[in-house]
Amino acid sequence: AQSVAQPEDQVNVAEGNPLTVKCTYSVSGNPYLFWYVQYPNRGLQFLLKYITGDNLVKGSYGFEAEFNKSQTSFHLKKPSALVSDSALYFCAVRDNTGFQKLVFGTGTRLLVSP
Amino acid sequence: GAGVSQSPRYKVAKRGQDVALRCDPISGHVSLFWYQQALGQGPEFLTYFQNEAQLDKSGLPSDRFFAERPEGSVSTLKIQRTQQEDSAVYLCASSPRTSGRVDEQFFGPGTRLTVL
Repeated sequence: AQSVAQPEDQVNVAEGNPLTVKCTYSVSGNPYLFWYVQYPNRGLQFLLKYITGDNLVKGSYGFEAEFNKSQTSFHLKKPSALVSDSALYFCAVRDNTGFQKLVFGTGTRLLVSP
Repeated sequence: GAGVSQSPRYKVAKRGQDVALRCDPISGHVSLFWYQQALGQGPEFLTYFQNEAQLDKSGLPSDRFFAERPEGSVSTLKIQRTQQEDSAVYLCASSPRTSGRVDEQFFGPGTRLTVL
C-alpha cells in the first residue's frame, strides 16, 4: 500500500532563512508525489508535483521539492521563508492501485517568525 | 473560472440526524473525490466518481455514508444517523481527466461538520 510519512509535526524558521519540510514515501510502482498547503478555514492548495524527470521540481510561491529515489524522500524547500508561508503542509502520494486517489501524510505545521 | 465550491461551509447536527453536503466541482472536470479530514490529521479518501459513475467507494466508513453525482457534475455526500465520530471536515476535490494522466486535484474549502 502507498504511504507517506511526515516526521515533523512542526517546523520553526525565521523569516529570510531557508526552510525544509520533510517527507518520505513508500510506493509500489512509480511514485507520483504532491505537496499541498492548507491555510486556516481553507481547502488544500496545490504547490507542486513530481511525475518523472528532473529530481528538483519547482512549484508555486517559490517552493521547490527534491525527489530522492535512493532515500525515498520528497522534501519541500524554499530558499527564503516569508511570514506568510506559515501554514499546514501536506505531502501526498497517488495510489497506483486505484483511481488517482491521494494518500496524505499527517501534515507539518510551518511557523515562520518575523 | 471559479474553483471548487462546497456548501454549507459549516454544519452542526444533533446525533442521529441526517446531513447532506454539496460539492460543485470545476466545470468540465471528469474526476471528483471526497475526503474526510479529522482534526489534526491529513485528509483520508472516501469515494471517487468518474463523471456520474462511482468507481471507488472503498473509503466510506460505514453504510451510513452515501454519495452520488447523478449528472456528472454536482455531487452530494449524505450521512445518515450521524454519530459524534463523523465530526470532521469533508473536502471535495476535482481533476480534469481520468487515471490516464497524473493531474493535481483542486480542492474546495470543505464543510466542517460538528455532531453534538
